[in-house]
Amino acid sequence: GENVEQHPSTLSVQEGDSAVIKCTYSDSASNYFPWYKQELGKRPQLIIDIRSNVGEKKDQRIAVTLNKTAKHFSLHITETQPEDSAVYFCAESGSARQLTFGSGTQLTVLP
Amino acid sequence: EAGVTQFPSHSVIEKGQTVTLRCDPISGHDNLYWYRRVMGKEIKFLLHFVKESKQDESGMPNNRFLAERTGGTYSTLKVQPAELEDSGVYFCASSRGLNNEQFFGPGTRLTVL
Repeated sequence: GENVEQHPSTLSVQEGDSAVIKCTYSDSASNYFPWYKQELGKRPQLIIDIRSNVGEKKDQRIAVTLNKTAKHFSLHITETQPEDSAVYFCAESGSARQLTFGSGTQLTVLP
Repeated sequence: EAGVTQFPSHSVIEKGQTVTLRCDPISGHDNLYWYRRVMGKEIKFLLHFVKESKQDESGMPNNRFLAERTGGTYSTLKVQPAELEDSGVYFCASSRGLNNEQFFGPGTRLTVL
């Protein structure tokens, strides 16, 4: 079945530095790749997504890149701030529309 | 608009008991999904409703889990009888269409002792 590998599982960066989280997937039919942020005790919230017809998408300090040939996609956060600290989940879906998630990355931004 | 709501927020039960979780999706969202996260692992798909119909229940772990969405509005997920390995956080999500963003609820943390 579908599988999503996410790395690293934990990531600590200094405030102002960049953070990169990477995911690989196995289903060549996947065409939608969202990223969710879950702050402690809160619900997962979509922060950015990308569809298979584009290779990169940016929204202020957050960007996502997609390499369909290599079946991997990455989340880039620039100028990190303490409020960026959270668990980040990558996910993918195809025609079935159910989301298959990675195992999550605990990002800690140190002041 | 009001977000996805789930009830209860926490439930602690003993092995063998029954628990029913409820999800109220965003009004007008035909698609409703159940997911769960067990022991800090990945969030895993359980099933998908389109209105009142089960579109895909391939993620349901066994027949101790029963989901319903009568009338195509709120949904319930019943676990009977509960086992220790059922502990985890159960999330509900809804979307307007199949190609739209899935909005998540706050989850129900289930602990089976």
